[in-house]
Amino acid sequence: AQSVTQLDSQVPVFEEAPVELRCNYSSSVSVYLFWYVQYPNQGLQLLLKYLSGSTLVKGINGFEAEFNKSQTSFHLRKPSVHISDTAEYFCAVSDRWRGFVAAGNKLTFGGGTRVLVKP
Amino acid sequence: DGGITQSPKYLFRKEGQNVTLSCEQNLNHDAMYWYRQDPGQGLRLIYYSQIVNDFQKGDIAEGYSVSREKKESFPLTVTSAQKNPTAFYLCASSSTGKVPSEQFFGPGTRLTVL
Repeated sequence: AQSVTQLDSQVPVFEEAPVELRCNYSSSVSVYLFWYVQYPNQGLQLLLKYLSGSTLVKGINGFEAEFNKSQTSFHLRKPSVHISDTAEYFCAVSDRWRGFVAAGNKLTFGGGTRVLVKP
Repeated sequence: DGGITQSPKYLFRKEGQNVTLSCEQNLNHDAMYWYRQDPGQGLRLIYYSQIVNDFQKGDIAEGYSVSREKKESFPLTVTSAQKNPTAFYLCASSSTGKVPSEQFFGPGTRLTVL
């Protein structure tokens, strides 16, 4: 079974400072990895995803994440945050394709990290 | 505009009542999903469907039921058997294939049991 751990439930950060949100996963098979953002009382929006290839993935709004297979991590970073980045961020994992079973469409989410950007 | 709509935005239910949450998509996606969101617990999968007339239980299906009679629609019924139904419910859809595509989310329905 898969699991996703987001180590920080809340991260306060000053505007224009860098931020890193930590995500670790456990899975018995190779995985695909995702980061989503949720603004208050809204649905989720995809920030970026790792499917294969380069382990450094760039997403929208200046975010990037690095896949580290040996440490089973997929940490999210932004070098300089804005007030508008105040939101909740979710890391998610999906199994790789396994023959006839399209397991890749089922996501397991972490508990979320709430980012509060202060002026 | 293509997207996912959920209705109603807010729903109040008395104990012992069944309620149905609507989810409609016009993205031509084969797969649809229902998640429950509680503070500090992330999203947990209730049910998912990868094709019309077929659906599977997720991690917390007890007390919920779904149907998938049309590609565009995936309604969720919260039954009286669900012991703690107050939560934020999110519907999502995606295309299917060997490589997982992005799941697109609706705006959510906040259910409160009075």
